[in-house]
Amino acid sequence: NAGVTQTPKFRILKIGQSMTLQCTQDMNHNYMYWYRQDPGMGLKLIYYSVGAGITDKGEVPNGYNVSRSTTEDFPLRLELAAPSQTSVYFCASSFTSGDTQYFGPGTRLTVL
Amino acid sequence: AQSVTQLGSHVSVSEGALVLLRCNYSSSVPPYLFWYVQYPNQGLQLLLKYTTGATLVKGINGFEAEFKKSETSFHLTKPSAHMSDAAEYFCAVSDQFYFGTGTSLTVIP
Repeated sequence: NAGVTQTPKFRILKIGQSMTLQCTQDMNHNYMYWYRQDPGMGLKLIYYSVGAGITDKGEVPNGYNVSRSTTEDFPLRLELAAPSQTSVYFCASSFTSGDTQYFGPGTRLTVL
Repeated sequence: AQSVTQLGSHVSVSEGALVLLRCNYSSSVPPYLFWYVQYPNQGLQLLLKYTTGATLVKGINGFEAEFKKSETSFHLTKPSAHMSDAAEYFCAVSDQFYFGTGTSLTVIP
């Protein structure tokens, strides 16, 4: 019963580098989300998807890109990493909008 | 637009004391409301949720919350705190694109 898995768990990037954060869910959920969590700021939505092939921006999308080619996978791409992107990133999924979200364990990213 | 306000970024209680974590929301329509808990270095887990029906919602680990439309509140309570309740708690509203900033609960032995 894997639920939502994320890789990697930790990553250090240099300024200007790029990387992809992977997220996979095995619950056949339609909705998937990417959040970033910064101390004292709660969770901010970066992008979300309501199904394969459909994505939309959240509150803080600048500097990120996503794709949703399958129901299971929802990778988050960081292009030209900046120190402001140092954060903990969480992927989540839910069956419908307004339903309980299930979270992955998170990826701790540091940009130096 | 919807938003969530959690009053008190840090709350400390003695073991066995009442836990009260406050959440107020702003919404033009009756919302779905959620409380999540986050233990150190983990993702968020659902504690409880309100959709429709009974306004007092019971969740896991002895927590409950009451939806008060007149006060636009959804405060989380637990009658007797346990050391294992120490964690960060987040209130979220409706489509869950909006989370509160979180309340860190410390339980003092």
